Order: sequence, then C-alpha cells, then structure tokens
Amino acid sequence: RKEVEQDPGPFNVPEGATVAFNCTYSNSASQSFFWYRQDCRKEPKLLMSVYSSGNEDGRFTAQLNRASQYISLLIRDSKLSDSATYLCVVSPDNYGQNFVFGPGTRLSVLP
Amino acid sequence: DTAVSQTPKYLVTQMGNDKSIKCEQNLGHDTMYWYKQDSKKFLKIMFSYNNKELIINETVPNRFSPKSPDKAHLNLHINSLELGDSAVYFCASSHAMMSGWKTQYFGPGTRLLVL
Repeated sequence: RKEVEQDPGPFNVPEGATVAFNCTYSNSASQSFFWYRQDCRKEPKLLMSVYSSGNEDGRFTAQLNRASQYISLLIRDSKLSDSATYLCVVSPDNYGQNFVFGPGTRLSVLP
Repeated sequence: DTAVSQTPKYLVTQMGNDKSIKCEQNLGHDTMYWYKQDSKKFLKIMFSYNNKELIINETVPNRFSPKSPDKAHLNLHINSLELGDSAVYFCASSHAMMSGWKTQYFGPGTRLLVL
C-alpha cells in the first residue's frame, strides 16, 4: 500500500460546482498534513495546512480524521483558476523534515 | 524578489556525464530539500538539510550528492547520469512555525533530460 493515496481523477467540473478530494495515509504516527496545488509545469505551492479540528480558508475547507487516516479538501463555487493538480502531503515526523506527497488529483474547471 | 531559485532551468546532457544543479533561498529558512518529480508526476523527497546537516536520504543512489556550503544554498551534484534520472528536480526550503507545521516553498524546478 502506498504511503499516501488520493482519488485518481481527473475531475472535470463546471464553474460554480462544489468538488471534494479524498486522501488516505498509511502511517498512523503521521503528525502534520497539508494540501498543495501544482499548476501545469510549475512548482507546488501550499494551499492550506490541515488541522485536527478542520479548517476553512475562503472557499476551501480541509478536514482530518486521524482515526480513519483520512484527509479531505472541499472546494466550493469552483473558479476556472482552481484548475490544477491537488497534492495531499503528510509529514510522518514531528520535525517537518520529511514529507510524503500523494500522487495528486487533477482538477479541470470548465466554463 | 525570488524566494527560492534554481539554476539551470533546463539541462540536457548525455548519459555518463556529471552535472550540478544549484539552489538558493533568500527566506532565511533553516531547512532545505531536494525533490524529484518523474514522468508520472510523482513527487518524492530525496534529501533534507537542516542547518547544513543531512537529515533524510531516501534510498537515493549515491551518484546523487547534496552539498550545502551555507544555510542559504543546497546544491545537487549527479555523477554518471543515467536515462532514468530524467525528471524535474525541485528545491524547497522551510522554516519551523510550530512543531512539524513547516510550510515549504519550492523553486521553479530544473528539467533534466538525459539522452
């Protein structure tokens, strides 16, 4: 089993749609969790960290379920500019010196 | 202002050659990383340097050697390049916010093609 797994995608959704991405991780000792986005031929950029209580940043909501080792990202009212690959990232240590990236889920928001 | 920069942006070379990729960050971060993103877009950590000490070395062939002359620089030297080394190499840096919640900032990537 891979350390971090994500929905295979791609997701093609119309503008304004709500879309949810799922991620599971295998290491129950994992300490910190993130969502990054990567545009085509660009570097990954942090979208948001994922805290135990769940957190929201504008149209983006992230949830963490440690018992199920599951992370989610919800995007509401999707925009054309949300088109990108979304990467689930898990840090298995408590020092942030090792990060495991999921394979990514590609999102295309269509006009 | 470039936060994390890498040179060169593109690198085309022959099998068997030795090449280096340079990385510099001007963010004052204490940890730097090298990642490899292969043709399937899978991003995997290769090395992590904290205050000039190697922390992680994830089953990377010893043909790859990171060198950190100071906290702001982490270069990647590759000996005897192989076809399978073709990939995009990303440098990143981070600074501890609290515990393990380090935000990583990535460089633009170096696209390496080995012929």
